[in-house]
Parts: sequence; C-alpha cells; structure tokens
Amino acid sequence: AQSVSQHNHHVILSEAASLELGCNYSYGGTVNLFWYVQYPGQHLQLLLKYFSGDPLVKGIKGFEAEFIKSKFSFNLRKPSVQWSDTAEYFCAVNAPSTGRRALTFGSGTRLQVQP
Amino acid sequence: DSGVTQTPKHLITATGQRVTLRCSPRSGDLSVYWYQQSLDQGLQFLIQYYNGEERAKGNILERFSAQQFPDLHSELNLSSLELGDSALYFCASSADSSGTEQYFGPGTRLTVT
Repeated sequence: AQSVSQHNHHVILSEAASLELGCNYSYGGTVNLFWYVQYPGQHLQLLLKYFSGDPLVKGIKGFEAEFIKSKFSFNLRKPSVQWSDTAEYFCAVNAPSTGRRALTFGSGTRLQVQP
Repeated sequence: DSGVTQTPKHLITATGQRVTLRCSPRSGDLSVYWYQQSLDQGLQFLIQYYNGEERAKGNILERFSAQQFPDLHSELNLSSLELGDSALYFCASSADSSGTEQYFGPGTRLTVT
C-alpha cells in the first residue's frame, strides 16, 4: 500500500524566512504528487501538482516543489514566507495508472509564521 | 471557492443516530470522492463515485454508505453513530475517474455527543 510521510509536524518561522517541508512517499510505480494547503477553518486548496516532466514544479503563492524520484521525495519550498502562509500543509499522492485514484495524504505539517 | 458545495456546514447529533451529508460537485465533474479528517486518523479516503457508480472504496466503515444521483450530487450516510465518528467530512470532485486533480469542498463538521 502506498503511504506518505511528512516529517515535520509543526514548524515555526519568522516572516521572510525560507521554508522547506519534507514529503516522502512509498510506492514503486508511477505516481502523481500534490501539495494542498488548509488555512484555518477552510477547505483544502491545491498549491501545486506534479504528473510528469520538469521535476521542479511551481505553484500558486510563490510555492514550488521538487520531485526527486531516486529519493521518493517531493519537498515543498518557499524562499520567503509571510504571516498569511500560516496554515496546515498536506502532501498527497495517487497512482491512477494502477487504479489508485484516491489521494493518500500525509499527516500534515502545521506552519506558524510569526510577524 | 472551489465550486464544490457541501451541506450542512455543521452537524451535532447523538450516538446511535443517523445523518446524511450532501455534496454537489463542480459543474461538469463526474467523480465525487469522500474523505474523513480526524485528529487521530488524519485525512483518509472513504469512497469514490463516478457518474453514478461506485469506483473505489477506502477505509469506509460498514455503518457508512454513499450514493451518487443522476444529477451527480452525492450523499454520504452515516448510521449508528459513535463518538469516534466525530470528524470533518470532505467531498472532492474531479472531471474524470482518474482523480488527477481533485477540488475540495468546505467540509461538514460532524460532532457526535
């Protein structure tokens, strides 16, 4: 079964600091990778996705992620965080080519940005 | 706003009761997915419907069931409710059955007392 690990459960940063959130997945086949953000009291919003091609993916709000196949990783980055980035971030994976269409989510990383 | 709507927003009910959660997908989307988000289990996939037919099942309890109607809205039925069923229930929709891009609704917060 596929699984997703997010190693950082709670990250506290000051504004303008750089961010990197780790995500590793365990699945040997072809996967699609996603990062979702959940602002307090709101629904999940798609930040970015990787299906194929350039392993460096740019998303909304200045976020990017790099897919490293050899490491089974898809880490999320942002060069300079803002207070408004305070939210919970979820990495997710699915593998439609093998029938696994539903998303498998990591446990989430709570990001707190201090002004 | 993702275009996916869910009602009700909040639901408080007692143990042993039955509730129905409703989801309307984005216009044109044929697939609906249900997910449960709880503090101890995180975000878990429950079930997927595509154009009225069940396509995939995840960690859905036998006390739970779902259906998708001809107008593509979906309902998740939860019965014999237990305290542990308290959670946020999200619905997501996608255009096709492959699930390559899923758009989430605002969720229904269920509290079982």
